[in-house]
Order: sequence, then C-alpha cells, then structure tokens
Amino acid sequence: ETAVFQTPNYHVTQVGNEVSFNCKQTLGHDTMYWYKQDSKKLLKIMFSYNNKQLIVNETVPRRFSPQSSDKAHLNLRIKSVEPEDSAVYLCASSPLRQTYEQYFGPGTRLTVL
Amino acid sequence: GDSVTQTEGLVTLTEGLPVMLNCTYQSTYSPFLFWYVQHLNEAPKLLLKSFTDNKRPEHQGFHATLHKSSSSFHLQKSSAQLSDSALYYCALSDRCSNNRIFFGDGTQLVVKP
Repeated sequence: ETAVFQTPNYHVTQVGNEVSFNCKQTLGHDTMYWYKQDSKKLLKIMFSYNNKQLIVNETVPRRFSPQSSDKAHLNLRIKSVEPEDSAVYLCASSPLRQTYEQYFGPGTRLTVL
Repeated sequence: GDSVTQTEGLVTLTEGLPVMLNCTYQSTYSPFLFWYVQHLNEAPKLLLKSFTDNKRPEHQGFHATLHKSSSSFHLQKSSAQLSDSALYYCALSDRCSNNRIFFGDGTQLVVKP
C-alpha cells in the first residue's frame, strides 16, 4: 500500500515533557511537510523537507525540531511541550516540480494537560 | 505574496440544494488551485485541482472553474448530499512557492436532511 503513515494516532502528555511523532511515506515523493491543525481547523505549515534538506521553516518555536533520515521519513520532536501545542499534527508529501498536490497522513492528535 | 481567502466559515444547507463555496486568491504568478476535503477524523484529501488549459475539473459531482479575471476558484455542486458534510479547504501553489501550498482557512459544510 502506498500512502502517508503517521504514528502515534493520539498522544496525551503533561506540560514540560518531550514528545516525538513519526511520519513515513511510501509514495516515492521528494518533499515532505509538517502541518499544525489547531482547534479552529486552521492548517499552518511548520516545516518542509526536500530530500532531507529543510526548505521552509515558518518561525515555529525552537522547541519544535524536524528530523529526517531519508526522503521517505520525516519525524517531529517537541521538547518541553506547552498547552498551546495541543493540536493535530499532519504530515504530508508531494512530488517535486509537478502539480504540487500534497498527500496527507491521518494525523497525530496531541493533548497537553 | 500568495494567499487564499475563503469568506464563509460555515455553510449550512438542506440536502438536494446546490452548493457553492467561495474561494478567491492572490498570486504573483500563474497558480495551481486546489480544493481539499476533510471528513471528520480523517486526513485532508485532494478533491479537485485546476488545469492549465482552462478545462473544468470535476470529481464526485463537484466542479470548480478557475477565473483569472476575478482570481476565483469557487467550488460548486448541483445537489448536496448528506455525505458532503465536511471541511473544505481551497489552496494555491505556483512555480515560485518552492513546492509549498497556501491554504485558506477552510469552510465547514453541513448538509441537513
């Protein structure tokens, strides 16, 4: 099956803890993204990676850091989570220099208590 | 810079009535326009994308026409179904956006019996 996969589906943690989310795509795409979808359902891009090179960083707080081992994997680590980090984190991928459409994973819902 | 505006946060209508969700955009270059749909607890999925040759894209009864003169890409359907209830995002990309997609704020469509 070719798709975008994310783990975990849900994560509940307390303020100050560290969390990591994983994303893998089997579509053979060159570019991967992390989005934050807040409680108002606004989609905000956080990071974009093109074949392991960071190409967009939308001035997210420093406690967020993307990690990529190869073009099929893009993880997200959050050091010392804050209550405002509660959201759904969506991973996406797209082919390079084509029609730019993106394919999304199912998301990881983070709740910070 | 590039941007997408969706003026309606919520659209509620009765099954069988026509659907029209508004989308206008700003882009320096000739853009690609997209409509994504997100059903409850699912990932956003591509519904439609614009063509460069002025063809009208259609999918699942939905269609949208790119009007460069008015910078619009409104989503339409002749007869709403209960299963159309979802969150709809209009989005834009162009050759200079570095593979990034600019999303609108989304329109929640609720179809009632």
